[in-house]
Amino acid sequence: QSALTQPRSVSGSPGQAVTISCTGTSSDVGAYPYVSWYQQHPGKAPKVLIYDVNRRPSGVPDRFFGSKSGNTASLTISGLQAEDEADYYCCSYAGTYVFGTGTQVTVL
Amino acid sequence: QVQLVQSGAEVKKPGASVMVSCKASGDTFSSYHMHWVRQAPGQGLEWMGLVTPSGEATKYAQRFQGRITVTRVTSTSTLYMEMSSLRSEDTAVYYCVAEKNTVFEYWGQGTLVTVSS
Repeated sequence: QSALTQPRSVSGSPGQAVTISCTGTSSDVGAYPYVSWYQQHPGKAPKVLIYDVNRRPSGVPDRFFGSKSGNTASLTISGLQAEDEADYYCCSYAGTYVFGTGTQVTVL
Repeated sequence: QVQLVQSGAEVKKPGASVMVSCKASGDTFSSYHMHWVRQAPGQGLEWMGLVTPSGEATKYAQRFQGRITVTRVTSTSTLYMEMSSLRSEDTAVYYCVAEKNTVFEYWGQGTLVTVSS
């Protein structure tokens, strides 16, 4: 199972919106409604932001929005804030599990 | 809520084996699938394997098949991961994760395994 493809980095100014793509195949992202997104700050364990493509756990701000079209899932962060600067990983169920390559978000 | 506390850092020589443990407390340990995910220095997350709530079944990423064993002991709410034939590329932080309905809900603090001669 190959890692899902994410851009290496994205950046935006405070208040702007950024979108991170996560491209898989018809065997993972395209096959199941089970894409999740995780945020990881340096030296910390990841934390779930989005599950089942577009659902947010309680406590996650509605600035984080997930979507999917075909074999590509996306995470949009609107109203970018300084604390959003972190690494973000998508993950898809595919019988087993596969993570994305990771995207570093920089707040300018 | 589930709290996951992992065993301490390990330093191993190439070819050796390592066992990492993860003790759960809080919510019902036996209702979660338990996973291991690793992260090499400066790299991304890599799913390694899982054990079902009953402990009766496991699944492993193909690249780790035959080299890792994931087990759980319900009576002590403890998860284990043993990896053999270690090589330098296995140097990483290893996380245990509690999953329900395909969501990696709770993560341990991570255990650094260093493989060096």
